[in-house]
Amino acid sequence: DAKTTQPPSMDCAEGRAANLPCNHSTISGNEYVYWYRQIHSQGPQYIIHGLKNNETNEMASLIITEDRKSSTLILPHATLRDTAVYYCIVRTRYNFNKFYFGSGTKLNVKP
Amino acid sequence: KAGVTQTPRYLIKTRGQQVTLSCSPISGHRSVSWYQQTPGQGLQFLFEYFSETQRNKGNFPGRFSGRQFSNSRSEMNVSTLELGDSALYLCASSLAQQGSTYEQYFGPGTRLTVT
Repeated sequence: DAKTTQPPSMDCAEGRAANLPCNHSTISGNEYVYWYRQIHSQGPQYIIHGLKNNETNEMASLIITEDRKSSTLILPHATLRDTAVYYCIVRTRYNFNKFYFGSGTKLNVKP
Repeated sequence: KAGVTQTPRYLIKTRGQQVTLSCSPISGHRSVSWYQQTPGQGLQFLFEYFSETQRNKGNFPGRFSGRQFSNSRSEMNVSTLELGDSALYLCASSLAQQGSTYEQYFGPGTRLTVT
């Protein structure tokens, strides 16, 4: 599976949009991009995933570049409860459920 | 629908002992994966079970093993515990059916401390 690169930490003001980047320059055609987050000492929580097109759900939006080498997770109105470590993962649909998590980005939402 | 449950939530063991952790997946989910999380190594994949068969394995020694029962519940076992096995052990379940997108849903984890 392709590996990902994320900034170790980011700050965001409460109520503003949080834009979390992820680089996955070695992604291949059948690999999906998944985003999870982990609030301190809890199990990771699924946020969103995509293959080529931009995706949106009730939690976030996922923007994938046309060449698919990078993506951005957008939390439109960050709250203090969004403070967490955010993981960007790429995995092939055919490698079942073996996720490589990487180091993630610690998002600090500040009042 | 109930989420993934793991028991026990906390455990303290002594070096050399063995331990068994349990995971009950979301109803209808047939795939169960296990991960180890430590401050130094982060989240690392241990293995995945589907329909009682291990179909994916990470880079861990043979002291780490698992199994899955016919009701999809899973257990993992660590024998001859070492101090470095102290970690949060996470279980994740997935629908893993043809046409599904394989998102995993994680349990709260079991915090294992080896002294």
